Amino acid sequence: AQTVTQSQPEMSVQEAETVTLSCTYDTSESDYYLFWYKQPPSRQMILVIRQEAYKQQNATENRFSVNFQKAAKSFSLKISDSQLGDAAMYFCAYRIYNDMRFGAGTRLTVKP
Amino acid sequence: GAVVSQHPSRVICKSGTSVKIECRSLDFQATTMFWYRQFPKQSLMLMATSNEGSKATYEQGVEKDKFLINHASLTLSTLTVTSAHPEDSSFYICSARDPPSGATYNEQFFGPGTRLTVL
Repeated sequence: AQTVTQSQPEMSVQEAETVTLSCTYDTSESDYYLFWYKQPPSRQMILVIRQEAYKQQNATENRFSVNFQKAAKSFSLKISDSQLGDAAMYFCAYRIYNDMRFGAGTRLTVKP
Repeated sequence: GAVVSQHPSRVICKSGTSVKIECRSLDFQATTMFWYRQFPKQSLMLMATSNEGSKATYEQGVEKDKFLINHASLTLSTLTVTSAHPEDSSFYICSARDPPSGATYNEQFFGPGTRLTVL
């Protein structure tokens, strides 16, 4: 079974600084997708970034970028120039075919 | 991106009653829909996967007779919590995936969730 592990239940960052959220996963598959989702207090899941496992290049979306290490099964999220609106729960997710699994989440606090 | 709606957003019911939650894909046809449950301060746990016109596939440990899922059309799936009890109180989130269009990837969109409280 595929598992997703987020080892940081809570993280804190100063506004305008950079923070990295960690995620590891376990799979025997070679072709899959990885995601970072943001869940603000409204509870709406918002896709932050997506990475295809077959792509070596790390995905980037504006201030958000990932460090994808396939051999190490690691998928960390870097948030640059943190903003107050980035405060939320962040979930790492793994998907293959119809199966999407989420990590336990990391609560990010942004200090002004 | 595409929109997935859920109704109601909040529902309070008495123990022993049944509650129906609707999930609609508003601007796309969803051949596959997913139902998740999220307890406070916890992650999303997949309950079941449903394909339009066929029976849902439930995850291990999820009671089929308690959580009835119907995916009767390409834009609507319903989750009925039968004989609800206080331990069923949770946040229920549906998700829908648009059909593959020839590309290798099809996006999965999430509804805003339904908070169920069973008294």
